[in-house]
Amino acid sequence: GQNIDQPTEMTATEGAIVQINCTYQTSGFNGLFWYQQHAGEAPTFLSYNVLDGLEEKGRFSSFLSRSKGYSYLLLKELQMKDSASYLCAERAAGNKLTFGGGTRVLVKP
Amino acid sequence: DSGVTQTPKHLITATGQRVTLRCSPRSGDLSVYWYQQSLDQGLQFLIQYYNGEERAKGNILERFSAQQFPDLHSELNLSSLELGDSALYFCASSGGRDGTFGYTFGSGTRLTVV
Repeated sequence: GQNIDQPTEMTATEGAIVQINCTYQTSGFNGLFWYQQHAGEAPTFLSYNVLDGLEEKGRFSSFLSRSKGYSYLLLKELQMKDSASYLCAERAAGNKLTFGGGTRVLVKP
Repeated sequence: DSGVTQTPKHLITATGQRVTLRCSPRSGDLSVYWYQQSLDQGLQFLIQYYNGEERAKGNILERFSAQQFPDLHSELNLSSLELGDSALYFCASSGGRDGTFGYTFGSGTRLTVV
């Protein structure tokens, strides 16, 4: 099976930067997704990486290193509304996504 | 509105009962995925359908079954319900048309077994 590891919880201050790390098993790798999920709501797509490097989208950036089985999501200029869970998901053959347990980010004033 | 419709939004039922959750995928998407999310847990993959056929199976209990119909909507049937089946059940669809193969999730069905 695929093991996706990410921290359970992180706390940061409004306006700061937070980096959420994710490690995965490299066999059968076919892409890495990040989703945001507010409590009780559906996950929403944030980013997708399939090649090594950094993808930037406004305040959110995602990085991938395929050789290390490692990705991170960088949230800049944190806002209170960014308080949510962030899910790392590995894409395998057949477009099946395996999700990590999620990282709950709490943004404090 | 994500384009993926799940009904009902909430469901309360007793142990031992059977329920059916319904999902209509985003227009044009051929794949449907079902996930279970228990309180403060991650998304656990249950099953995937592609154009009416089962494509992949996860840790789905034998008491659970699913199907995808010719119009591409899908139903997840949960029987002999137990307290531990209480969870959010998400349906997602994909079709690869957006080029990123990402999932679009429905708003979920919150199942409470009492």
